[in-house]
Amino acid sequence: NAGVTQTPKFQVLKTGQSMTLQCAQDMNHEYMSWYRQDPGMGLRLIHYSVGAGITDQGEVPNGYNVSRSTTEDFPLRLLSAAPSQTSVYFCASAGPKDSPLHFGNGTRLTVT
Amino acid sequence: GDSVTQMEGPVTLSEEAFLTINCTYTATGYPSLFWYVQYPGEGLQLLLKATKADDKGSNKGFEATYRKETTSFHLEKGSVQVSDSAVYFCEIRRNTPLVFGKGTRLSVIA
Repeated sequence: NAGVTQTPKFQVLKTGQSMTLQCAQDMNHEYMSWYRQDPGMGLRLIHYSVGAGITDQGEVPNGYNVSRSTTEDFPLRLLSAAPSQTSVYFCASAGPKDSPLHFGNGTRLTVT
Repeated sequence: GDSVTQMEGPVTLSEEAFLTINCTYTATGYPSLFWYVQYPGEGLQLLLKATKADDKGSNKGFEATYRKETTSFHLEKGSVQVSDSAVYFCEIRRNTPLVFGKGTRLSVIA
């Protein structure tokens, strides 16, 4: 069972570039979400989805877009990278109500 | 909306010391409660959970009891090891989006 797979593991961008962080899960989970984690800080929710075709904003959505065309995939798009988006990004998914969140191993993004 | 208040760290303990990390929540009804652990360079992974009042979750020597009367879910371990050094997160779940505490960094020294 692969669980939650995030790619790439590391990425360096220049200011203004765009890119897509990929997230895929093979557990048929309806709920998927993206978080960022800055050094020494907790998790901040960027966007989340409760099923295919449904997305909503979290705490820090500006500068990021998401879509959920399938149950399995939930890509995160950075539209125009800024140094403030330097962070570690985690994708997570969850099944029904009492199921724990399953996290990917993260993508470490540096914007110069 | 729902919220979680988690004990601020960092917490530094000697090996074999007793650990408590406080977690209290604000939510109506009966949310499910979770503790996650994040080891360096990794994503979060489930440590334990409780889904109804007075339930006790336990795993790897850690325990937490769902206290509805005090809206708390404190994490405890009787004797910590160096390998327990990590960041611990409390989560409450009633509706989406899911709500996390800010995390507590634990360092255990030999």
